[in-house]
Parts: sequence; C-alpha cells; structure tokens
Amino acid sequence: SQQGEEDPQALSIQEGENATMNCSYKTSINNLQWYRQNSGRGLVHLILIRSNEREKHSGRLRVTLDTSKKSSSLLITASRAADTASYFCATGGNTGKLIFGQGTTLQVKP
Amino acid sequence: DTGVSQDPRHKITKRGQNVTFRCDPISEHNRLYWYRQTLGQGPEFLTYFQNEAQLEKSRLLSDRFSAERPKGSFSTLEIQRTEQGDSAMYLCASSLGGRAYEQYFGPGTRLTVT
Repeated sequence: SQQGEEDPQALSIQEGENATMNCSYKTSINNLQWYRQNSGRGLVHLILIRSNEREKHSGRLRVTLDTSKKSSSLLITASRAADTASYFCATGGNTGKLIFGQGTTLQVKP
Repeated sequence: DTGVSQDPRHKITKRGQNVTFRCDPISEHNRLYWYRQTLGQGPEFLTYFQNEAQLEKSRLLSDRFSAERPKGSFSTLEIQRTEQGDSAMYLCASSLGGRAYEQYFGPGTRLTVT
C-alpha cells in the first residue's frame, strides 16, 4: 500500500530554477526520507529527516517536515539537467520497512 | 553503484513459467529487503530478512512467491506460474540492522511476462 500522495505528479522547469515537491503521509513516523530514481534504474538515497526535526539541508537539497500536517517538502535549488528523475518520499518504522509515495517526475530542461 | 547487485537485470518470460531473481547485498549488511515497483508507482514492500530469517511478508506476496536468504548472504526471489500482473521492477535493498531505515538499493530486475 502506498503511504500517501506526492504533489505534483509531474514537474517541468528550466535549468537554474528551483523545484519543490511535496509529500503527505498517513501514519505516525520515526523518520522520512527522499529518494531519487533515474529512468528505469534503482533508487538513490538523498536525505533523511527525523520526526523531531523540522528542516534539513544537504548541498542543493532542503527538506522540511511538518508532523502536525503529516507532510514534507523537498526543495532542489539551482536545478541542473542531471536532476531529471523521479523523486519519492518514504516513511519508515523500526523494522526498516519503507512505505513509498507515488513519486514526482521532474524534468529539468537545459 | 550502491554495492547491491541484482541478477538478471531484465527477464522476459511467458505466462506460466517460473522465474528466479538473485540479490547480493552489501557484505556487512544483515538486513535485506525486496520491493516491487510497477510503472508510474512507488516501490511496494514485499518482504525482508534479518540474516537468514524472513521476518515479515506483505500480503502482496502470494503463495506463488517465495524468497530465501540461505546463510544470510545473497537472497533469491522465485515466482512460480507467472502471470501478466507480475510484470514489474523487482528491487532489492540492504541495510545494517541498527540503521534499518538507511537502505541501499540495487539496480532492480525488470520482469516482463508475455
């Protein structure tokens, strides 16, 4: 079962612009992660934010978490063509089983 | 390359045939996970192992599916009597038990059932 919804389902921007994608989830969580998937390939872990954190940065990535609204957002600043991929949020419990959203497909035009 | 490998990368089979996929995790990782991803969707959890013990199975894992992890190293996922609905990408991931949520994914095996 999917954890929730990601918004938008698809996003197309020009190189250099910022990209923001949102994720909502249904249950209480210990942490939330964002993954990237290039076309037809495996997932790459981008960033993890714990339930007691509100914001986290990693390079050009900024993640926020609002546990009261059960939502998270991923901001990619100064996007590059190489950022073209699908992005998934995933929530995890103590067992490590990850529950993924449906993903946002990002296209960055050069 | 995350260090997790899967074989084969692609498999085309006819409906009714059996298929087996292999996953080799990062060597020091004691947890191994299988997920299934259909087109346009996020991955869905199938099952996971801690060492050689299979600790949880999703209800998505019907009786036609079986997974093993002998000796707690590599794992195999077998699908018997394949159906067209089994067509998907099968992803394997591994992690250390103490950091179970930090999973490293393999490139996946894309299964097409004709």
